[in-house]
Amino acid sequence: GAVVSQHPSRVICKSGTSVKIECRSLDFQATTMFWYRQFPKKSLMLMATSNEGSKATYEQGVEKDKFLINHASLTLSTLTVTSAHPEDSSFYICSATSDRMFREQYFGPGTRLTVT
Amino acid sequence: AQSVTQPDIHITVSEGASLELRCNYSYGATPYLFWYVQSPGQGLQLLLKYFSGDTLVQGIKGFEAEFKRSQSSFNLRKPSVHWSDAAEYFCAVGASGTYKYIFGTGTRLKVLA
Repeated sequence: GAVVSQHPSRVICKSGTSVKIECRSLDFQATTMFWYRQFPKKSLMLMATSNEGSKATYEQGVEKDKFLINHASLTLSTLTVTSAHPEDSSFYICSATSDRMFREQYFGPGTRLTVT
Repeated sequence: AQSVTQPDIHITVSEGASLELRCNYSYGATPYLFWYVQSPGQGLQLLLKYFSGDTLVQGIKGFEAEFKRSQSSFNLRKPSVHWSDAAEYFCAVGASGTYKYIFGTGTRLKVLA
């Protein structure tokens, strides 16, 4: 099956700093990647959709300048949380798909971000 | 508007008992439906999916789900639950015209020994 990885799995950063999370499709080319945020004991909230080579499409209420998304290649998307604050602490999950996968998304293992 | 409802926030069953997790959707056309499972601190694993055809879908780990258009439902079932099935279960529908998913709020399953 298709495999998606995320790095790092856990990160702790200080308030005001930026942190980058990587999402990689290991054995397929992902034309589309998604970034989700999940609060404790809550469902997944879609933050943005990124297509390779184009700007990400953000969901309503998600700050584009705070959550920078780059999808520079068919196997890599990055989420950068800029000027992080404690309220940005969360579990971030990416998923990937392609035109050949007919709507099925493959999910990464998630990244636990803690901002102190 | 498209939506997914999982009416049960928590469900507790005894090991060996049968299980049914409910999922209702609101969608104007034939939906693409998914069930995912999430263990604590982990990503999501696909259990099964429905796109078209046979309305009874078999998945991994002994799970199955039945698409009922008349009831707008896609309930997940398992005849005999194992302690390792304790996890969070999410139902999702594929949004029209995009690859986006709309997730339900999830059902947390607890299994009693």
